[in-house]
Amino acid sequence: QKEVEQDPGPLSVPEGAIVSLNCTYSNSAFQYFMWYRQYSRKGPELLMYTYSSGNKEDGRFTAQVDKSSKYISLFIRDSQPSDSATYLCAMSLIQGAQKLVFGQGTRLTINP
Amino acid sequence: DTEVTQTPKHLVMGMTNKKSLKCEQHMGHRAMYWYKQKAKKPPELMFVYSYEKLSINESVPSRFSPECPNSSLLNLHLHALQPEDSALYLCASSHLLGELFFGEGSRLTVL
Repeated sequence: QKEVEQDPGPLSVPEGAIVSLNCTYSNSAFQYFMWYRQYSRKGPELLMYTYSSGNKEDGRFTAQVDKSSKYISLFIRDSQPSDSATYLCAMSLIQGAQKLVFGQGTRLTINP
Repeated sequence: DTEVTQTPKHLVMGMTNKKSLKCEQHMGHRAMYWYKQKAKKPPELMFVYSYEKLSINESVPSRFSPECPNSSLLNLHLHALQPEDSALYLCASSHLLGELFFGEGSRLTVL
């Protein structure tokens, strides 16, 4: 069993839809949770960063963390074609230094 | 300024060549990372430097040799690579706790 599970998709939705992306994890030692967006042939771009359980909102993006269920989500409201990318969840634990473990990534396409 | 700069953007090398990838950040971060990413896969951690000292080596073959000359620079020296080492090599930096910021990557092709 992988430490972090993420449905690779692909996921295709119409423009303007609400998108929900999810990850589950097995290691309760994970302390920090991130969502990255990666366009083709580019480096990952940090979208959201959270520490505790609860919600965090930034513009059209909302991140949710439920540590009791070991489940995190990213919601994208009013999705745009420019949101088409691969979305990676990532979680970190501290082993002397910070070790980031990624989910498989979900490939998302927003259709105009 | 949240920028991590990687050079070169593209590199083609033969199996007998020696080359280096370079990474630079000026955000005052004291942790720097090398990741390897194959197509349609997530990044895989290779090395972590914390305060210019190697903290994590994820059992990476010795043909990859990291170096952290100072708190702003990170190098990855490459020697006697194999074609299966062709990948996107990503550098990242962070404070000791906190968000990791990635560069655009160096795309390596080994012939």
